[in-house]
Amino acid sequence: NAGVTQTPKFQVLKTGQSMTLQCAQDMNHNSMYWYRQDPGMGLRLIYYSASEGTTDKGEVPNGYNVSRLNKREFSLRLESAAPSQTSVYFCASRRGQDPHQPQHFGDGTRLSIL
Amino acid sequence: GENVEQHPSTLSVQEGDSAVIKCTYSDSASNYFPWYKQELGKRPQLIIDIRSNVGEKKDQRIAVTLNKTAKHFSLHITETQPEDSAVYFCAASNTSGTYKYIFGTGTRLKVLA
Repeated sequence: NAGVTQTPKFQVLKTGQSMTLQCAQDMNHNSMYWYRQDPGMGLRLIYYSASEGTTDKGEVPNGYNVSRLNKREFSLRLESAAPSQTSVYFCASRRGQDPHQPQHFGDGTRLSIL
Repeated sequence: GENVEQHPSTLSVQEGDSAVIKCTYSDSASNYFPWYKQELGKRPQLIIDIRSNVGEKKDQRIAVTLNKTAKHFSLHITETQPEDSAVYFCAASNTSGTYKYIFGTGTRLKVLA
């Protein structure tokens, strides 16, 4: 099992460009999450999908959209990238049926916006 | 809104000493508290978690304590080793509905050889 796979690992964009970050999990998990990690600010939730077919905003959703394509895949889209969106993006998943199951993280996507 | 405060932001200890990281949460409905370790350039990985009906949990050199009345929980690492050097994050979650985590801002632990 690969766990949670994120692509790409690195990306450089120009301001105004669009980009989709991909995330897939092979653990048959119900819930999936997108976080951004900035120095000194921990992990902040952008969007989440509690189950297939549902998505909801987290703490910092502005400038992002998501799609829960199927149970395995949850993508994050930047429609018009801004320098403030330079960050490391992590996708996570959890089983969702046992409330005490932890979230499992992917390796992250390092995104720079010039 | 919901908040988790984590202290200290940085912590340096001598190899073999103990390290303690503390977190305070605001949502009284929180009942699940995981701790993650993140090495430089790597993904956060779960190291220990505790449920609200338990006051303490141990796993070898790592322990977590929970005080629900005071709404705080702590990570204790004994006999620290250089490989314990990393950033540690606490989180709090309530187990109804969406199972969202609220993360603390992290503690950078340096174990000095």
